[in-house]
Amino acid sequence: QVQLVESGGGLVKPGGSLRLSCAASGFTFSDYYMSWIRQAPGKGLEWVAYVSSPDDGDIIYYADSVKGRFTISRDNAKNSLYLQMNSLRGEDTAVYYCARGGLRCVDYWGQGTLVTVSS
Amino acid sequence: QTVVTQEPALTVSPGGTVTLTCASSIGAVTSGYFANWFQQKPGQAPRALIYKTSNKHSWTPARFSGSLLGGKAALTLSDVQPEDEADYYCLLYYGGTRVFGGGTKLTVL
Repeated sequence: QVQLVESGGGLVKPGGSLRLSCAASGFTFSDYYMSWIRQAPGKGLEWVAYVSSPDDGDIIYYADSVKGRFTISRDNAKNSLYLQMNSLRGEDTAVYYCARGGLRCVDYWGQGTLVTVSS
Repeated sequence: QTVVTQEPALTVSPGGTVTLTCASSIGAVTSGYFANWFQQKPGQAPRALIYKTSNKHSWTPARFSGSLLGGKAALTLSDVQPEDEADYYCLLYYGGTRVFGGGTKLTVL
């Protein structure tokens, strides 16, 4: 069965960095677009970034709110998705979800990892 | 900046029918926006229900259906069950951009 397991969340000071990981299993990872989606405490969902499948040329998209600070990447040999987050701000505090898809459909979600940006 | 608007809250009686909508600030929602719908219960990750406007995932209960209605994407729940009480989010695709609606809190009462 499809599983997505995020890790790497935690408490970080404003201006700091954090790297999130998502371990995927149960499907051919390289065949799929993959996405990061976040949810601030008590708020709605926000699309953060996606990376296309290698067949589509590893196209990458970022939300304006994270462009220039966050970097999405994938390692198809390790079935893993990453999100490098730099210059973190208080408004980046959220649960970060790894999700399969992003072209026209998002189907599976991980359970999320909490990132807290606070001094 | 594109804004996707949903009803903030709706209430429905058990066994009833309710329609949630998803509107785009730039005009009518068409099939080209590939509307997705998600359900989220407290403390849980979102769960996908509908993709490409009206397609159900293998796990989506038959009482959920997606459509286009009056220039909006719509999610209709028929024969509503108590366990359908949740937050519901739509997602629209704008070329490279993906934008979630603000969510609808559905109360079953």
